[in-house]
Amino acid sequence: AQSVAQPEDQVNVAEGNPLTVKCTYSVSGNPYLFWYVQYPNRGLQFLLKYITGDNLVKGSYGFEAEFNKSQTSFHLKKPSALVSDSALYFCAVRDGPGNTGKLIFGQGTTLQVKP
Amino acid sequence: GAGVSQTPSNKVTEKGKYVELRCDPISGHTALYWYRQSLGQGPEFLIYFQGTGAADDSGLPNDRFFAVRPEGSVSTLKIQRTERGDSAVYLCASSTRQGANTGELFFGEGSRLTVL
Repeated sequence: AQSVAQPEDQVNVAEGNPLTVKCTYSVSGNPYLFWYVQYPNRGLQFLLKYITGDNLVKGSYGFEAEFNKSQTSFHLKKPSALVSDSALYFCAVRDGPGNTGKLIFGQGTTLQVKP
Repeated sequence: GAGVSQTPSNKVTEKGKYVELRCDPISGHTALYWYRQSLGQGPEFLIYFQGTGAADDSGLPNDRFFAVRPEGSVSTLKIQRTERGDSAVYLCASSTRQGANTGELFFGEGSRLTVL
C-alpha cells in the first residue's frame, strides 16, 4: 500500500533562514508526490508535485522539493523562510495509477517561522 | 467566488441525526472529491466523482455515508444516524480531468461537523 510519513510534528525556523520539512514515502511503482499547504482558516492549497523528470521540483511561493529515490524522500525546502510561510504542510502520494486523484496524505507538519 | 464553496461551514448535531453537507466545485471541473480530516490528522479520501458517477467510493467508512452529484456539478455528502466518531472537517475538492491524473486538486475550506 502507498503511504507517506512526516516525521516532524513541528518545525521551527527563524525568518531568513533556510527551511526543510521532511517527507518519506513508500510506494509500489513510480511515485506521484505532492506538497500541499493549509493556512489558518483557508483550504488546502497545492504547492508542487513530482511525477517524473528533474529531481528538484519548483513550486509556488518560492518552495521547492527534492525527490530522492534511494532515500525514498521528498523533502520540502525554501532557501529563506518568511513569517508568512507559517502554516500546516502536508506531503501526499497518489494512490495507484489512473485518473483517480485519490491522494494519501501524511499527518502534517506545522511550520513556525519566527521574526 | 471562483473557488470551491462548501456549506455549512459549521454544523453541530446530535448523535443519531441525519446530516447533509454541500459542495459547489469550480465551474468546469469535472472531477469532485470528498475527504475527511480528523483533528491532528491529514485528510483521508472518501469518494471521487468524475461527472455524475462515483468513480471510486472505496473510502466511505460504512453504509451510513453516501454522496451524490446528480447533475455533474454540486455534490452532497449525506450521513445517516450520525455518531460521535463522525466529528471531523469534511473537505471537498475539485479538479479538471487532467488535474485528477496529476493530483492537482482545489480544496474548499471545509465543513466542520460536530456530533454531540
